[in-house]
Formats: sequence, C-alpha cells, structure tokens
Amino acid sequence: QKEVEQDPGPLSVPEGAIVSLNCTYSNSAFQYFMWYRQYSRKGPELLMYTYSSGNKEDGRFTAQVDKSSKYISLFIRDSQPSDSATYLCAMGYNFNKFYFGSGTKLNVKP
Amino acid sequence: DAGVTQSPTHLIKTRGQQVTLRCSPKSGHDTVSWYQQALGQGPQFIFQYYEEEERQRGNFPDRFSGHQFPNYSSELNVNALLLGDSALYLCASSHTKWETDTEAFFGQGTRLTVV
Repeated sequence: QKEVEQDPGPLSVPEGAIVSLNCTYSNSAFQYFMWYRQYSRKGPELLMYTYSSGNKEDGRFTAQVDKSSKYISLFIRDSQPSDSATYLCAMGYNFNKFYFGSGTKLNVKP
Repeated sequence: DAGVTQSPTHLIKTRGQQVTLRCSPKSGHDTVSWYQQALGQGPQFIFQYYEEEERQRGNFPDRFSGHQFPNYSSELNVNALLLGDSALYLCASSHTKWETDTEAFFGQGTRLTVV
C-alpha cells in the first residue's frame, strides 16, 4: 500500500465550477500537509500548507485536513482555465521528507 | 529573489555514464532536498542536506550521492546510469529553524534522459 493515494484523474470541469481534490494516507504520524500545483514540464509550486488538522483558506483555495479519517482536500472556488494543471498533495512528519501523491490532472474548460 | 535555481535544465546521457546536477537554494535557505519525479508520478524523496551533511535519505541506491557546499548550494551525482533513471530531478530548499523547517520551495527541475 502506498503511503499517499491520489486519484490521477483527469478531472474536467467548466470555468467557474468548484473543484474538489482529495488524498488519503495511511500513516497517522503525518503532521504537515501540503498542496502543490505543477504545470507541464515545470517544478511544483507550493499552494497551501497546514499543520495537523483543520482548515486553511487563501483566496479561492481552501485546504482541509481530517486526521481522524486520514483524508485531506483542496477546494478551488470559481475555477479558471489558468488553474488547469496537475495538483500534488504531499505530507510528512516534518519538513525533512515529504511523501507525495501521484497527482490529479485538472482541466478547466472555458 | 531568484528562487531555487537548477542546472542544467535538460540533459541526455548514455547508460553507464555518470551525471552531476546542481541546485542553488532560495536566498535565506540553508537546507536542500532532492526528489526524483518519473513521468506521471509524484516526486520521490532521494535525500536532504543540511550543514553540509546528509540528514535523511530515501529508498535510493548508493549510486545516488550528493554534496552541499558552504554557500548552501548542492549537487546530486548519479553513477552507472540506468534507463530507469530517466526522470525530472527536483531540488527543494527550505530553512531549518530549531527542529522544524519552513515551507519547501521547488526549482524547475532538471530533465534527465538516459539512452
């Protein structure tokens, strides 16, 4: 079993839709949870990071962590074509080593 | 602020050869981690350097080695290249404070093709 599971998609939505991206994990010791956005042939760009459980909001993005269910989510409101990318979840015990999901490819259609 | 810079951006090598990839961390950062990202997969942790020493290592063979210099820049070396080493190699930098780090920022990566 992989440490982190993420649906690869692709996920296709119309512009303006609310997008929900999710990851599950198996290691209850994970404390740090991150979401990265990666455009084709580029390095990952940090979107959000949360420590332990709870919600965090930044503009159109909301990250949620449910440690009891070992489940994390990223919501994108009012999605734009420029949001089309691969979204990677990552987590770890600390910032020394991250375990990544395989990424979900998102396509926002104009 | 230049961010995390990696060189070269692309590289083609032959099986059995050796390769060196370079990374300069973001200004103010002192910790460098290296990841391997195969096509269609998430990045996998190779190792992390702090204070010029390897602090933690992932599940990669000894063919993968690294170095960190006094200016915090880092090199990743891969010996005896295999076709399966073809991937995007990513460098991430962060700043170690006490026992926890700040967020990690990634460079654009070096795309290595082994033929």
